[in-house]
Amino acid sequence: QVQLQQSGAELVKPGSSVKISCKASGYTFTSYDMHWIKQQPGNGLEWIGWIYPGNGNTKYNQKFNGKATLTADKSSSTAYMQLSSLTSEDSAVYFCAREERYGRGFAYWGQGTLVTVSS
Amino acid sequence: DIQMTQSPSFLSASVGDRVTINCKASQNINRYLNWYQQKLGEAPKLLIYNANSLQTGIPSRFSGSGSGTDFTLTISSLQPEDVATYFCLQHNSWPRTFGGGTKLELK
Repeated sequence: QVQLQQSGAELVKPGSSVKISCKASGYTFTSYDMHWIKQQPGNGLEWIGWIYPGNGNTKYNQKFNGKATLTADKSSSTAYMQLSSLTSEDSAVYFCAREERYGRGFAYWGQGTLVTVSS
Repeated sequence: DIQMTQSPSFLSASVGDRVTINCKASQNINRYLNWYQQKLGEAPKLLIYNANSLQTGIPSRFSGSGSGTDFTLTISSLQPEDVATYFCLQHNSWPRTFGGGTKLELK
């Protein structure tokens, strides 16, 4: 069965960077788009960007240009998101989600990774 | 960016009630609209894709309608397990944008 397993919670200092992982299993990793979504406590959802692991193509929400960098390792079926120059505004839960073909939505989600930025 | 406006933000209803949640896009998004349910502490779950297609495994009391700029999620007979926050998401254009959410509680 399809599973997306994200890395654990992170407590990081302002100005630093963090790299979150999303390990995929149960399907061909290189055949589906992987998206990343941000959710701040009590707030709604924000789309960060997308990577196609088959060729590494990416697309970002302009708001996250320079903040988020998406990569994928085909050998381990793992997608990564690095967040840089962290501030308190980056404290949130971050989800990876697999998009089904033909725009049929994010049917599979990781469990979420809580990032807390605090000195 | 396309703005997605959901209404209401908060909704209180009784078991068995018919519930409707609305989502309005700031411009035409055709039928490229998905609905998600998120329970406390969990990842969102896909309910409806492309405005009116029921995701596999989702109960038939959930349905979606609309096209263009106005969309509706309907729960035909509210069940206790439907207590959650509901979000719409447009995938007509980049960046993808979510509605602000509707928190559904039992009366």
